[in-house]
Amino acid sequence: NAGVTQTPKFQVLKTGQSMTLQCAQDMNHNSMYWYRQDPGMGLRLIYYSASEGTTDKGEVPNGYNVSRLNKREFSLRLESAAPSQTSVYFCASSWTPDQPQHFGDGTRLSIL
Amino acid sequence: DQQVKQNSPSLSVQEGRISILNCDYTNSMFDYFLWYKKYPAEGPTFLISISSIKDKNEDGRFTVFLNKSAKHLSLHIVPSQPGDSAVYFCAASERTGANNLFFGTGTRLTVIP
Repeated sequence: NAGVTQTPKFQVLKTGQSMTLQCAQDMNHNSMYWYRQDPGMGLRLIYYSASEGTTDKGEVPNGYNVSRLNKREFSLRLESAAPSQTSVYFCASSWTPDQPQHFGDGTRLSIL
Repeated sequence: DQQVKQNSPSLSVQEGRISILNCDYTNSMFDYFLWYKKYPAEGPTFLISISSIKDKNEDGRFTVFLNKSAKHLSLHIVPSQPGDSAVYFCAASERTGANNLFFGTGTRLTVIP
């Protein structure tokens, strides 16, 4: 039962480097999401994809891009990493927006 | 500005007793609320939800209460078990099915055997 799989689990980058975080779900869900979690704060939505072929900005989209490659996969790209993007990133999916979201185990990203 | 607030960062209770986790929100347009549980090094796991047309929803040992006039909800766990020790997040959205979920900062529950 894989559910939502995120790769990598850990990554260290230097400022200015680029990086793509990968997310795949095997539950045939239509909607997918990217969140970040910072100390002392709740999860904040970066981008979401309500269905294959669509993407929309969430609460904190600046500095990120996303690609909904197919129904299973939703990637998050940092074009030029900044120390402020040091965070734990979670991918999630759901059947439809009115169903609870299922989360991956996160990617811990540090930017020096 | 945090629209969903969990003012207690931590809570300790004895095994078998009731755990009450609280959540307040500021946006009166929120009408769908969820609780998630999170263990270390894992993603959040959905626990229970409630829409604004209800004031209570139960699922086994877990009950969520919603007080719309006070913009307050709470999660009751009875009886508490050591396996319930985790961080609990409250989340809210403006309508059932909205993509933008707003999360609280979490409450770490420790159930003491």
